[in-house]
Amino acid sequence: GAVVSQHPSWVICKSGTSVKIECRSLDFQATTMFWYRQFPKQSLMLMATSNEGSKATYEQGVEKDKFLINHASLTLSTLTVTSAHPEDSSFYICSARGSETYEQYFGPGTRLTVT
Amino acid sequence: RKEVEQDPGPFNVPEGATVAFNCTYSNSASQSFFWYRQDCRKEPKLLMSVYSSGNEDGRFTAQLNRASQYISLLIRDSKLSDSATYLCVVMVTALIFGKGTTLSVSS
Repeated sequence: GAVVSQHPSWVICKSGTSVKIECRSLDFQATTMFWYRQFPKQSLMLMATSNEGSKATYEQGVEKDKFLINHASLTLSTLTVTSAHPEDSSFYICSARGSETYEQYFGPGTRLTVT
Repeated sequence: RKEVEQDPGPFNVPEGATVAFNCTYSNSASQSFFWYRQDCRKEPKLLMSVYSSGNEDGRFTAQLNRASQYISLLIRDSKLSDSATYLCVVMVTALIFGKGTTLSVSS
């Protein structure tokens, strides 16, 4: 099956710093990538949808200037959490979808802790 | 009203038990329906798609009632390895996840 990787798998950073998370589709071309966030005991919440070569579409309540998404190639999308604060601590998961199917393949997630 | 609502958990059952999860969704424009499984601190993994005619995959049976906007998952002969959180998911333009129901199967 299709494989999606994320890097790093976990990161601890200080408040005010920026963190970049990479999401890669390893064996298929991802025309669309999605970024989710999951707080403990909560559901996955879609943050944004990005199509390769286009600007990301952010869900209501998600600050686009704080969560910078770049989807410059068909195999890579990045999420940068700028000026991170402790309330940004969460599990960030990406998923990717090719052009031929509606199925989304999830990355293993990145656990961000902001101290 | 939440877009996808699931049974509150947790469900604690012995091995071999049959357990059913229910889910309702609010958006009648939802196009596709799924059950995902999520283990602790891991990403969700697709368990099965759900079709209007109902579908079965081994010990798992999923059903969809579009008229009442209701989805169910039945697990027969529960195994210890079934312990996880089960997420009801609908697709409108993107996947919308329910909060999940935790299942704990004990010996």
